[in-house]
Amino acid sequence: AQSVTQPDIHITVSEGASLELRCNYSYGATPYLFWYVQSPGQGLQLLLKYFSGDTLVQGIKGFEAEFKRSQSSFNLRKPSVHWSDAAEYFCAVAFNDYKLSFGAGTTVTVRA
Amino acid sequence: GAVVSQHPSRVICKSGTSVKIECRSLDFQATTMFWYRQFPKQSLMLMATSNEGSKATYEQGVEKDKFLINHASLTLSTLTVTSAHPEDSSFYICSAGHEETQYFGPGTRLLVL
Repeated sequence: AQSVTQPDIHITVSEGASLELRCNYSYGATPYLFWYVQSPGQGLQLLLKYFSGDTLVQGIKGFEAEFKRSQSSFNLRKPSVHWSDAAEYFCAVAFNDYKLSFGAGTTVTVRA
Repeated sequence: GAVVSQHPSRVICKSGTSVKIECRSLDFQATTMFWYRQFPKQSLMLMATSNEGSKATYEQGVEKDKFLINHASLTLSTLTVTSAHPEDSSFYICSAGHEETQYFGPGTRLLVL
């Protein structure tokens, strides 16, 4: 079955430490890939996206993600987290009809 | 760029009344908009796809007569929750498609008493 998997439900990281959020997808073809962030009570903000080309994608707020076709993965990274990075992170995929399939989300807690 | 607004941000209504939520793309035109519902601590659930000038496409299990969607212009889609009941209380989020990407509104918190 086609799916998007975020294996980590909750991650706690210290401020200033690095962060990596995992995302795997199960589709026949390579979809468009996205990472969104949601703060409590807010909508989703696009962090970055991958359609084609360079497999290392830079996004906003210091985030980057790497597409690995062989692993069907699109993991999100940040070298040094800030307290404001505490939020819910969603990986999503789409094909050419805009329709998104979301992962279950990963909650990131940042401790001082 | 690619800003989407929603109005209202929160609304409280009595059971049996109808509530309209507006979703606007502020700096681009969107032929396709989407409506989602999000339960606490969960991912987004797609309710329907709204296409400008045509009928919305509803996901399985979503009552089209209860959740009326209108996409009359390239910058505005509306969701009307008709005869709202307490179980309709939720966080509703819209998004608009632009350059193969969905951009999301800030969401509307609906509480039905």
